[in-house]
Amino acid sequence: GQQLNQSPQSMFIQEGEDVSMNCTSSSIFNTWLWYKQDPGEGPVLLIALYKAGELTSNGRLTAQFGITRKDSFLNISASIPSDVGIYFCAGQLEEKLTFGTGTRLTIIP
Amino acid sequence: EPEVTQTPSHQVTQMGQEVILRCVPISNHLYFYWYRQILGQKVEFLVSFYNNEISEKSEIFDDQFSVERPDGSNFTLKIRSTKLEDSAMYFCATQYTGELFFGEGSRLTVL
Repeated sequence: GQQLNQSPQSMFIQEGEDVSMNCTSSSIFNTWLWYKQDPGEGPVLLIALYKAGELTSNGRLTAQFGITRKDSFLNISASIPSDVGIYFCAGQLEEKLTFGTGTRLTIIP
Repeated sequence: EPEVTQTPSHQVTQMGQEVILRCVPISNHLYFYWYRQILGQKVEFLVSFYNNEISEKSEIFDDQFSVERPDGSNFTLKIRSTKLEDSAMYFCATQYTGELFFGEGSRLTVL
């Protein structure tokens, strides 16, 4: 099946710092999505990208759909305590979503 | 805001027992999915369901698993004879045409 490599696996940053994470795939997707998961809850959609090259922002979050359709990145600017959680990328081809392995974000006080 | 609701939130069962996890999708949604997340691991696709039939399933979704919409509202995942490795969070997700909405999940613990 399709594999998504997400990096980094974990990040320890100070409040106010910027964050960057990315996903790469061996195959192409038609849609890239970024989700955040808080403990004990389901993933919540942050940003959806539908076209190769698309750059989309949602508040302090910015994500891009790679030109090759095989990669995407997510940036978070000026991190705040509520950004803590696990971030998953997901690639979609037709109906199925394939999730990345997640990036655990921890904010050091 | 419309939401996907799942029951039970947590179920503990003995190995070999049957389990049914239930999901109430958002009312006008047409596509339904089950995903699984083993503790500390990524979210994995199990199955998609559209127009009262399975449209796609993963290698994980073997003969022990089945899905149905028995009454046109609930969407269920049945595991016939649970194994220890079935212990995980199971997420239902539903979709109209765009965004996938996830439920909060059902935690299954198999002893």
